[in-house]
Amino acid sequence: DAGVIQSPRHEVTEMGQEVTLRCKPISGHDYLFWYRQTMMRGLELLIYFNNNVPIDDSGMPEDRFSAKMPNASFSTLKIQPSEPRDSAVYFCASSLSASGGKEQFFGPGTRLTVL
Amino acid sequence: DQQVKQNSPSLSVQEGRISILNCDYTNSMFDYFLWYKKYPAEGPTFLISISSIKDKNEDGRFTVFLNKSAKHLSLHIVPSQPGDSAVYFCAGRYNTDKLIFGTGTRLQVFP
Repeated sequence: DAGVIQSPRHEVTEMGQEVTLRCKPISGHDYLFWYRQTMMRGLELLIYFNNNVPIDDSGMPEDRFSAKMPNASFSTLKIQPSEPRDSAVYFCASSLSASGGKEQFFGPGTRLTVL
Repeated sequence: DQQVKQNSPSLSVQEGRISILNCDYTNSMFDYFLWYKKYPAEGPTFLISISSIKDKNEDGRFTVFLNKSAKHLSLHIVPSQPGDSAVYFCAGRYNTDKLIFGTGTRLQVFP
């Protein structure tokens, strides 16, 4: 299995631009998570889906952030408009409910820089 | 509000010695605690977990201890190896599917 796939790996954009991050979870996994990593706050859970349905988006910082999961093999995290404070590494992870959610498999992350 | 705290941002240990990474939590609803390991430019990978009803779990060189009364857990690595150099994240699980992570501790194992 290829694992969780994220694209792009690096994104540099200017303030005010729209940014779209993409994720392909491991086939058969029914949970998908979006995290943001910063030095100050560590790994923050932004939103997660179960069977393509958003379950908890309480970690989404502002209305500028939105996430979708149109099918079991694809999810996007969009930031519009982007701001310099959004600069961070964004991770996507997936897991199987049968494992009790104890083990999440992370993608390699997208490093976002907003100038 | 940080529900999971890793107060030591970094730790340096000599190869062959014991590494002890600490984690404190505030949420009494956590039913599992997990440690993840992260190398640069990679995503975190699962290392070891412990149920809230246990006080110890061991897997090879890695042992996790849980002290519920103190709301504290620790990860022991014995013996430490250079390949263990990474960032270690502690996490608590509740609602059966949600993980709350700490800020991480960077471990450096030197020869």
